[in-house]
Parts: sequence; C-alpha cells; structure tokens
Amino acid sequence: DAGVIQSPRHEVTEMGQEVTLRCKPISGHNSLFWYRQTMMRGLELLIYFNNNVPIDDSGMPEDRFSAKMPNASFSTLKIQPSEPRDSAVYFCASSSGLSGANVLTFGAGSRLTVL
Amino acid sequence: DQQVKQNSPSLSVQEGRISILNCDYTNSMFDYFLWYKKYPAEGPTFLISISSIKDKNEDGRFTVFLNKSAKHLSLHIVPSQPGDSAVYFCAASSSNSGYALNFGKGTSLLVTP
Repeated sequence: DAGVIQSPRHEVTEMGQEVTLRCKPISGHNSLFWYRQTMMRGLELLIYFNNNVPIDDSGMPEDRFSAKMPNASFSTLKIQPSEPRDSAVYFCASSSGLSGANVLTFGAGSRLTVL
Repeated sequence: DQQVKQNSPSLSVQEGRISILNCDYTNSMFDYFLWYKKYPAEGPTFLISISSIKDKNEDGRFTVFLNKSAKHLSLHIVPSQPGDSAVYFCAASSSNSGYALNFGKGTSLLVTP
C-alpha cells in the first residue's frame, strides 16, 4: 500500500488566495483526520470523518476553513481566504475505525506558507 | 487548552544508554495512549500504545509505562541507538471524543554516538 497520500507537499501563496490541500487515505480505512502542526500549538486536530461523514469539526479555527470528503478515497481541506497565520504543516491521517486500538497512519504532510 | 503535555522539548542521550521520555495528561477520561515518532519532512509514525487497563507494554527496545493515578506515562528506549534520533509525540484518546488523538508538543531526542 502506498500509505496516505497528500498533495501538494509544499505550497507558497499570497494572503487572500484560496488554498486547497488534498488527501487520499489508505484503501479500506474508513476514518480520516486532518491535523495542523505549528511551533506554538503542536499537532492540533482540525476535523475528522467517519464513513465520509464529518464527526467533529470543533478544531477548525474559523469559517475560512472547510473540509470535505466526497468519497472514501478523497478528502480536501480548503482555506479561503488564506492568512499568514495559517502557515503550518497540515497532516492527513487515516485509520480503520474509531477505537482506541486503531492506529492512525499519517501522510507526509503539506507545508503551507502564506506570505 | 493542552490536555497532553510533554514538558521536555529536547533530550540528549548517549548511544547504548536508556532514553526516558515523559508525558502528562489532564483528562481523566483518556483511556488509550500512544507514542508516535517523527523524522523531519515525514509524517508521525506509530511506535507503541497502551490501554488504561494496563500499566506496562513492551515491544522490543521500547516500553511504555502508565501511572493512571499520577496521570503520567513514559517511554523507555533501551538501548538507545543513533537512528532513534527523532521527535517523539505522546498522544491520548477517549471513547467520548471518538478516539481522535490529542497530541503533546513533542520531545526531540538526540542519540549521540
């Protein structure tokens, strides 16, 4: 298996532009998570899905952030408009369900820089 | 509010010695704990886990200890190897939050030859 695939790996954009980050989870995994890593806050959970349905989006910082999972093999995280404080590494992770024993497998991350 | 805390940002250990990484948590509802390891430019990878019904879990050179009364867990690496140099994240989850992982900020471990 190729693991969790994220794109782009690096994105540099200007303030006010729309940013779309993409994630392909591991085939057969039915839970998908979006995390953001910053120096100040570490790894924060933004939103997670189970069977393509958003379960908890309380970590999404503002209305500028939105996430979708139109099918079991694809998810997007969109920021519109982007701001410099959104600069971070965004990780997508998937697991085979929601239980303590289920291990999250992470993608390599998308490093976003907003100028 | 950080529910999982790793108070040591960095740790340096000599090759062959024991590395001890510590983690504290505040939420008594957490019932599953995991350690992840992260190399630069890669995503975190799962290392070892423990459920709240146990106080120790061992996997090769890695052992995790859980002290529920103190809300504390630790990861022991024996013997430490240079390839263990990475950032280690402690994470915790509970059934009432869908088992989504809450992470600490990480401890950067450097194992010197």
